[in-house]
Amino acid sequence: GIQVEQSPPDLILQEGANSTLRCNFSDSVNNLQWFHQNPWGQLINLFYIPSGTKQNGRLSATTVATERYSLLYISSSQTTDSGVYFCAVQNRDDKIIFGKGTRLHILP
Amino acid sequence: NAGVTQTPKFQVLKTGQSMTLQCAQDMNHEYMSWYRQDPGMGLRLIHYSVGAGITDQGEVPNGYNVSRSTTEDFPLRLLSAAPSQTSVYFCASNKTGTNYGYTFGSGTRLTVV
Repeated sequence: GIQVEQSPPDLILQEGANSTLRCNFSDSVNNLQWFHQNPWGQLINLFYIPSGTKQNGRLSATTVATERYSLLYISSSQTTDSGVYFCAVQNRDDKIIFGKGTRLHILP
Repeated sequence: NAGVTQTPKFQVLKTGQSMTLQCAQDMNHEYMSWYRQDPGMGLRLIHYSVGAGITDQGEVPNGYNVSRSTTEDFPLRLLSAAPSQTSVYFCASNKTGTNYGYTFGSGTRLTVV
């Protein structure tokens, strides 16, 4: 099946710093999503981005489908950005598969 | 809209007991799925459904059954619980052919002793 790899696995930053999270996938995909899981366990959809670039406030994402990767950018980090960020891809057989996530700690 | 509703939020089972985790959505989403989340493993797909009457296996289906008799409901059954099934379970749904992405339930924390 399709493999989804996220890097880095852990990231510790000072408040105000910028960060880039990466998602690589092993096969062509029909769509790709980024999620944030907050410290209380709630999963929130950030972007639905099978290709191209999207922006939402301090967050933006870019997917280059032909090269099988996606990037999530967080600018001017805030402590509320802490949590785990997941990438999930859907391939031809309709399965939506998650990576293992990047755990982000924003220090005040 | 209530979104995706999971019940119960917490459950403790004894080894060998059976139970059903409930998942319901009121958004008329065709696609529904179940995941389990274990430390360091991310979310792993158990079963999914692309519409009423259709189910398929995910990455870790063993020990779990599902059915999809209506668009709204997608229950997950544990027939004989094992300690290895201790996990947090998430249900999710989305509407196919749109770009809104997944909506997740709040999760069920299951402990099997």
